[in-house]
Amino acid sequence: ILNVEQSPQSLHVQEGDSTNFTCSFPSSNFYALHWYRWETAKSPEALFVMTLNGDEKKKGRISATLNTKEGYSYLYIKGSQPEDSATYLCALRGYSGGGADGLTFGKGTHLIIQP
Amino acid sequence: DTAVSQTPKYLVTQMGNDKSIKCEQNLGHDTMYWYKQDSKKFLKIMFSYNNKELIINETVPNRFSPKSPDKAHLNLHINSLELGDSAVYFCASSRGRALEQYFGPGTRLTVT
Repeated sequence: ILNVEQSPQSLHVQEGDSTNFTCSFPSSNFYALHWYRWETAKSPEALFVMTLNGDEKKKGRISATLNTKEGYSYLYIKGSQPEDSATYLCALRGYSGGGADGLTFGKGTHLIIQP
Repeated sequence: DTAVSQTPKYLVTQMGNDKSIKCEQNLGHDTMYWYKQDSKKFLKIMFSYNNKELIINETVPNRFSPKSPDKAHLNLHINSLELGDSAVYFCASSRGRALEQYFGPGTRLTVT
């Protein structure tokens, strides 16, 4: 069974400030770690997928790192903008012999950017 | 064009009824999923389906059954609906295990 913990649960950030939050996992026995952005009344949107220890991914002002040895991934947002307000979900994709399985999601970090 | 679509968007029904939610993806993906968003807004995997192989989360009641008429569709059938089935159900698809999943808009099911 995969466990995913995200912190903090919610976060208020001033527009223009940079921020980061954490996804932690007690076991590194998974195939991939995913980050999703989920805006209210919309569906989750994929940000990054990482598989290797030391992976770093970047998309615009958002970046993520993966440290499987110490059991965490960080998501960074540089120069926060109001449109960054959303819930950010971390999820693990486990191994399965059949080649098809779903994601185990954390409860998310709810980010609110204050103008 | 919508990549992953679900119908209906809202579904209100009475206890004991049987209902279906449809999901279609036009991305050419080989794997499709159903997730349930519970009352605490937590997304939980229900099923995944790849090349005719169905993997079921053992916590899902057998009143729930996915049906895939072809690679682009994975429909969710629910028999004998119960109050606790009220939730938002999301369909998703991906190409391969490691790649990102694309989610549908969700179907809000309300059982009265």
